[in-house]
Amino acid sequence: SQTIHQWPATLVQPVGSPLSLECTVEGTSNPNLYWYRQAAGRGLQLLFYSVGIGQISSEVPQNLSASRPQDRQFILSSKKLLLSDSGFYLCAWTVRGAPQPQHFGDGTRLSIL
Amino acid sequence: AQKITQTQPGMFVQEKEAVTLDCTYDTSDPSYGLFWYKQPSSGEMIFLIYQGSYDQQNATEGRYSLNFQKARKSANLVISASQLGDSAMYFCAMREGLTGNQFYFGTGTSLTVIP
Repeated sequence: SQTIHQWPATLVQPVGSPLSLECTVEGTSNPNLYWYRQAAGRGLQLLFYSVGIGQISSEVPQNLSASRPQDRQFILSSKKLLLSDSGFYLCAWTVRGAPQPQHFGDGTRLSIL
Repeated sequence: AQKITQTQPGMFVQEKEAVTLDCTYDTSDPSYGLFWYKQPSSGEMIFLIYQGSYDQQNATEGRYSLNFQKARKSANLVISASQLGDSAMYFCAMREGLTGNQFYFGTGTSLTVIP
């Protein structure tokens, strides 16, 4: 069966520090991969999605970036975090080319001090 | 225009009663998929139910059913026999073209089940 792993679960970082969140999927090939951010009590904001290795689509211009170095690995990064980067980050995957739902990781709670 | 609209920020239901969470969508694509997710306070997003635009019957999964009214562009989630564990945020989502790359999410409805 397919599983998605996202880490770390919780992260506290100072303003101006770098960020790296990692997400990996097991049990499937060629998935679509996604990064979302969710502010407290709010809906999901799509940040990036990827349909293949090295292919990244950015939905919101900001100081975050994403990379997909391997088929089932998706990384969210920042060189310098801002206070506004605080939130709950969710990675998700779905089957490409089929009417299937997204499946989400457990999320990372990021607090910027 | 919003692709997905959820007009109920918060809902309350008595335990063991049924509740309907509203969702309307906007698309000109004849092919699309509609999804409902549950997000408990722990944060994980749990997939509940799926309805394809060409499906003739309303989708059902256990106590969850999707009231799909294509002409009205609505896809309401019905939870029967509510349980305390149903208290959570519920999100409606749409995938255009059935296999499109993007999923559009509503702002969510917070459901509280009262004992």
